[in-house]
Amino acid sequence: KQEVTQIPAALSVPEGENLVLNCSFTDSAIYNLQWFRQDPGKGLTSLLLIQSSQREQTSGRLNASLDKSSGRSTLYIAASQPGDSATYLCAVGNQVTPLVFGKGTRLSVIA
Amino acid sequence: KAGVTQTPRYLIKTRGQQVTLSCSPISGHRSVSWYQQTPGQGLQFLFEYFSETQRNKGNFPGRFSGRQFSNSRSEMNVSTLELGDSALYLCASSWSPGQGVADTQYFGPGTRLTVL
Repeated sequence: KQEVTQIPAALSVPEGENLVLNCSFTDSAIYNLQWFRQDPGKGLTSLLLIQSSQREQTSGRLNASLDKSSGRSTLYIAASQPGDSATYLCAVGNQVTPLVFGKGTRLSVIA
Repeated sequence: KAGVTQTPRYLIKTRGQQVTLSCSPISGHRSVSWYQQTPGQGLQFLFEYFSETQRNKGNFPGRFSGRQFSNSRSEMNVSTLELGDSALYLCASSWSPGQGVADTQYFGPGTRLTVL
């Protein structure tokens, strides 16, 4: 059974700092890995999708990497801003389930 | 293009009642998945529909059911509601031409269900 773990559970950083969020998964037989952002009480916003054959994806200040063999992914956020404050969720897709989610990392960027 | 829409946004029910939630996917998307989000368990997969057929199912009791219509709109039904069914129910749509093809999942705003 696929399990996804995100560390740390919560993170507080000053504005302007670069930061890394970590995600690990137990079964490397995945189709893709997706990073999402969730604001309080809201739905999920897709940030980046990495196919199983890819190593990384970039969008603006965000960069996500995937190491399928070791079951790890990182989300790098450059020059963090208060508007980046949210919960970041990592999820993997496989043959059985479109997405298996981690519990998320709650990020606070302090102005 | 309009995003994924879910109705209603908020719902209050009592134990033992049943409820139906609706999801309209992005135009052209044929796959709709449903997820339950609670503070304790996080996001858990309920089921996925593709072209009116259930393609995958999560580990939830039979009280949870769903269906998909020919226009790709989907409904999920929960019968005999329990207090533990209080949660945010999210649906997601994707183009997903077939199993094994990775595609971005786009989520709706969710339906907040409270069971009293």
